[in-house]
This record gives sequence, structure tokens and C-alpha cells, in this order.
Amino acid sequence: AQKVTQAQTEISVVEKEDVTLDCVYETRDTTYYLFWYKQPPSGELVFLIRRNSFDEQNEISGRYSWNFQKSTSSFNFTITASQVVDSAVYFCALGLSGGYQKVTFGTGTKLQVIP
Amino acid sequence: DSGVTQTPKHLITATGQRVTLRCSPRSGDLSVYWYQQSLDQGLQFLIQYYNGEERAKGNILERFSAQQFPDLHSELNLSSLELGDSALYFCASAGGGRAGEQFFGPGTRLTVL
Repeated sequence: AQKVTQAQTEISVVEKEDVTLDCVYETRDTTYYLFWYKQPPSGELVFLIRRNSFDEQNEISGRYSWNFQKSTSSFNFTITASQVVDSAVYFCALGLSGGYQKVTFGTGTKLQVIP
Repeated sequence: DSGVTQTPKHLITATGQRVTLRCSPRSGDLSVYWYQQSLDQGLQFLIQYYNGEERAKGNILERFSAQQFPDLHSELNLSSLELGDSALYFCASAGGGRAGEQFFGPGTRLTVL
């Protein structure tokens, strides 16, 4: 069975602070995909990143960076110099290989960036 | 804009009623997923269709059913509605791009009174 744990339910930071959102996953499969999605107050789900299990290289995209560590089954997401527009619920998700299987989502971390 | 459309955007109905939610996937995507997001249960996978066939099933109640039509649009039917069915229902599509990546529609907010 697959499981995604986002232990941080809510985080509040002051604008310009860095913040890391934790994600721990469980799967017995050796090939899988990890995702992060953002859900702003408007409600839509926005895809942020996809990482496959064979690619442990960390990725940086602007103020966003992701740290994938297979040894600890973690896929953490860091926002540098946070902005008010980053306020949202962030979901980590796990999907199996083969493309079209169900994706298991974590319960989400609500991030509030205070001006 | 993800390219996935969902109608209606909002739906208010009474207990015991039946409703149909509609989803049109992105052009070229063969797979459609349905999710339910309620306040106390997060984002729950309901069901997946691929090119008209049911491919995977999650925590979908027997009162709920779905289908995918030849033109690849999908409908989620919810019957004998209960107060607890009030939630945001998302549709996502996949298949045109990299494996595993899903593109979500804007959601349908269902309120059962």
C-alpha cells in the first residue's frame, strides 16, 4: 500500500523567511513518481513538480527547491524568501509507474505567509 | 489554465437527490481521474478511467458511479445524496505528457442541504 505523510498541518512564516514543507512517503515499488501540488485560496490545484524514483538530483526553480532523499523516503519542498502569494495548501503525492494508476495524496500543509 | 474543464462550478441540492458532474479532459489525454476533497478527509481518489474503461478504483461509495464516453469526457454521478457528500470534486486528466502527471480541473463545489 502507498502512503504519503505530511506531518505539518499548518505553518506560518513572515514574508521573506525561508520555509520547508516536509513529505515522507511509503511504497514497496521500486519505480514511482513524486509530486507537489499547490492549492491557493481560489481552490484550483496547480502542478509544481514531478520526480521519478531514479532521479535523486535536487531541483531548483526560482524560489522553489526540492530535496529528494530515497534513503529516508522524503521529498521535501523549500520556498526561499517566501511571499504572500505563496500562501496556499501544498500537497505531496505519490504515484506508481506505468503512468495511469491512482495517485495517493498527503493531507496537505497549509502555509500562511504573513506580510 | 490546465485545459481540463468541469461543470458546473457550484451545485446546491438537497439530501436524497441525484446529481451529475461533468469533466472534459485536456486534448489528447485519455485518462480521467475523479477526486473528492472534503474538509475532514483531504483529497481522496475516487476512480480512474482510461480510454473509456475503468482502470482503478479508490474510496468510491456504491451510491457514486462514473463513466467515460467515446469523446473522452467523463461524468460522475452521485445519488441518494447525504450531508457528508458536500465537498469539492476534482477531475484530473493525464496521458498527453509525462507519465504520472495529472492536470486538474477547477473543481465542482457540491453543497448538500
